[in-house]
Amino acid sequence: NAGVTQTPKFRILKIGQSMTLQCTQDMNHNYMYWYRQDPGMGLKLIYYSVGAGITDKGEVPNGYNVSRSTTEDFPLRLELAAPSQTSVYFCASSYSVYSPSGNTIYFGEGSWLTVV
Amino acid sequence: GDSVTQMEGPVTLSEEAFLTINCTYTATGYPSLFWYVQYPGEGLQLLLKATKADDKGSNKGFEATYRKETTSFHLEKGSVQVSDSAVYFCALSDRPNGGSQGNLIFGKGTKLSVKP
Repeated sequence: NAGVTQTPKFRILKIGQSMTLQCTQDMNHNYMYWYRQDPGMGLKLIYYSVGAGITDKGEVPNGYNVSRSTTEDFPLRLELAAPSQTSVYFCASSYSVYSPSGNTIYFGEGSWLTVV
Repeated sequence: GDSVTQMEGPVTLSEEAFLTINCTYTATGYPSLFWYVQYPGEGLQLLLKATKADDKGSNKGFEATYRKETTSFHLEKGSVQVSDSAVYFCALSDRPNGGSQGNLIFGKGTKLSVKP
């Protein structure tokens, strides 16, 4: 019963480095999301996807990129890491908007990223 | 735009005390409302939700009632335990039935510490 799995759990990056946060879900959800959580703040949406091959920007997309080649996977890429991207990143997934019982968004355990 | 405001923390209570965490919202239309809980070192978990006015969501002894007249969704528990220590997030989705296209809007979170 894996749910949403994201890796790595912790990472330290130097300014200007690139990395990819991996996310996979085994619930056959078509919606997937990436959020960031800054200290003392709620979550902010970075990017989301409504299905394989479709992605769209959320509230804070700058400095990030995503792809969705399969239903299961939704990696988040940081191209040129900056200190402002130090945060905790959460991947999440849910069923489509047409679920009659309403949507529950399921979160991964988070990835702690520090850019120095 | 839509927003969620929840009481500032941290909140420190003794075991078996009564808990209230206030949450109010601003939204156009008829949002669905959620409480998420984040235990130390973990991702967010849905605690409860309500999808229309006067609905009461409940889970694990927690409950919250969707009050449209006061635009509120306060979280309550009659007798807290040490294991309830966590950060609690109020959130809304402006899609019917809690449907989502990445538009969960979170409050800043309220940290609860319960002492034995």
